[in-house]
Amino acid sequence: EVQIEESGGGLVQPGGSMRLSCAASGFRFTSYAMTWVRQAPGKGLEWVASVRGDGSEKRYVESVQGRFTISRDNTKNSLYLQMNSLRVEDTAVYFCARVPVASNRYFDAFDVWGQGTMVTVSS
Amino acid sequence: DVQLTQSPSFLSASVGDRVTITCRASQGVSSYLVWYQQKPGKAPKLLIYAASTLQSGVSSRFSGSGSGTEFTLTISSLQPEDFATYYCQHLSSYPITFGQGTRLEIK
Repeated sequence: EVQIEESGGGLVQPGGSMRLSCAASGFRFTSYAMTWVRQAPGKGLEWVASVRGDGSEKRYVESVQGRFTISRDNTKNSLYLQMNSLRVEDTAVYFCARVPVASNRYFDAFDVWGQGTMVTVSS
Repeated sequence: DVQLTQSPSFLSASVGDRVTITCRASQGVSSYLVWYQQKPGKAPKLLIYAASTLQSGVSSRFSGSGSGTEFTLTISSLQPEDFATYYCQHLSSYPITFGQGTRLEIK
C-alpha cells in the first residue's frame, strides 16, 4: 500500500526555523518527484516546492525562495522541508505529495498525499 | 506566472444534478491541467489529470475537458459524497499554481 506521512509541525516564533519530514512507503521512491503544498487556515492550496527523483532539480514558489530548502534522502525514502526565517504568513497545513513524471519530464499530477502537518508561526 | 480562475467560486446544487466548474488560465497551459477534490480537514484527492484523464479508482461521473486556456470539470449526477471543494492546478511551468477553489454545497 502506498503511504505518505508528514511530521515535524508545531508552534514556532517569527524568525525561527523548523524542519518537516515526509516518510514514504509502498512505492519505488526514486521513480517519483516529490512536492510540498501548503494551505493556510480557511484558504486555498499553494504549491511550495518540488524536487526530482534523483534530487537533480529543485524549484520553489517565490515567497519561500531563499528561506526554505527541499531535500530528499532516497536511502530512507524520505522528503524534507527546512524552513528558516519563518513568517506569520507561513502558518499553514503542509502536505507532502508524490509526483509521477512523464517521459517528457513534465509532472503528471500530485497523485498521493499525506494527511498534512500544521505549522503555526506566532509570538 | 499562470493565473487560474475558477468559476463559480460557490455552487449550490442538489443530489442528482449535473454540474460544471470552469477553470480559465491566464495563458495557455496545453493539457497540463489537473482537478482535485478536497473535503474539510482532509488532503486533496486527485480526480482528473492531463485535462481529461480520469484517475484510477475515481467514479466515472467525473469528467474533464479542455485545452489551452479553458477547462471544465463536470459531475454528471451529484452524489452526497461529492459535496466538497474542487481545485484546478496547472503543471505547465513554474510556479505551479492552483485555482482559488469552487465550494460545492447541498441545496
